[in-house]
Amino acid sequence: EIVLTQSPGTLSLYLGERATLSCRASQSLPRNNLAWYQQRPDQAPRLLIYGASNRATGVPDRFSGSGSGTDFTLTITRLEPEDFAVYYCQQYGTSPIFGQGTKLEIK
Amino acid sequence: QVQLVQSGAEVKKPGSSVKVSCKASGVTFRDYGVAWVRQAPGQGLEWVGGIIPIFGTIIYAQNFQGRVTVTTDESTDTAYMELTGLRSEDTAVYYCARTNLNVLPSIWGQGTLVAVSS
Repeated sequence: EIVLTQSPGTLSLYLGERATLSCRASQSLPRNNLAWYQQRPDQAPRLLIYGASNRATGVPDRFSGSGSGTDFTLTITRLEPEDFAVYYCQQYGTSPIFGQGTKLEIK
Repeated sequence: QVQLVQSGAEVKKPGSSVKVSCKASGVTFRDYGVAWVRQAPGQGLEWVGGIIPIFGTIIYAQNFQGRVTVTTDESTDTAYMELTGLRSEDTAVYYCARTNLNVLPSIWGQGTLVAVSS
């Protein structure tokens, strides 16, 4: 079974800064079936990125995804107040699983 | 407007079962799939199970094998998740989500709190 490990657990940054979140898989993901979700307090998750690097509909272009194989990154440029939330990576497909999450907090 | 509307909160006794519904409006499950994901209080997201009706594919997380059943009723565009043998650790918010044919959740319901307590 594939395990997804996200780092860091918590990331503290200022408004306007750049955030870099990591997701590492224990095995290479088939077809880069890697998604990123944002979850604000008391809200359902929101799909941001799929296929490792494709932005979902309506997602601002300050969000970008990259990586392949076992190492994936979510980058958020120019942090805005609404970006402070918890972010999850997920392998989808035949054996779906989530990473444990990274909390992005305002400094 | 595309949305998924889930049934209301439930309080259950240990050992009992719960069935959560997820009604689609402005969207159909017919050519897509449905996933169920749960979140225990203060914890992360956990995959429960998913179904792709057009392929007849059902995927359950290993942790829930034998206890969970996911179904869809295409005539009413409603999906269901039934969990049996409830224990306190099953207390969580349960989300449904419409998926593409590759089981990628994209549109999410509002969540249903299931509380298990004696």
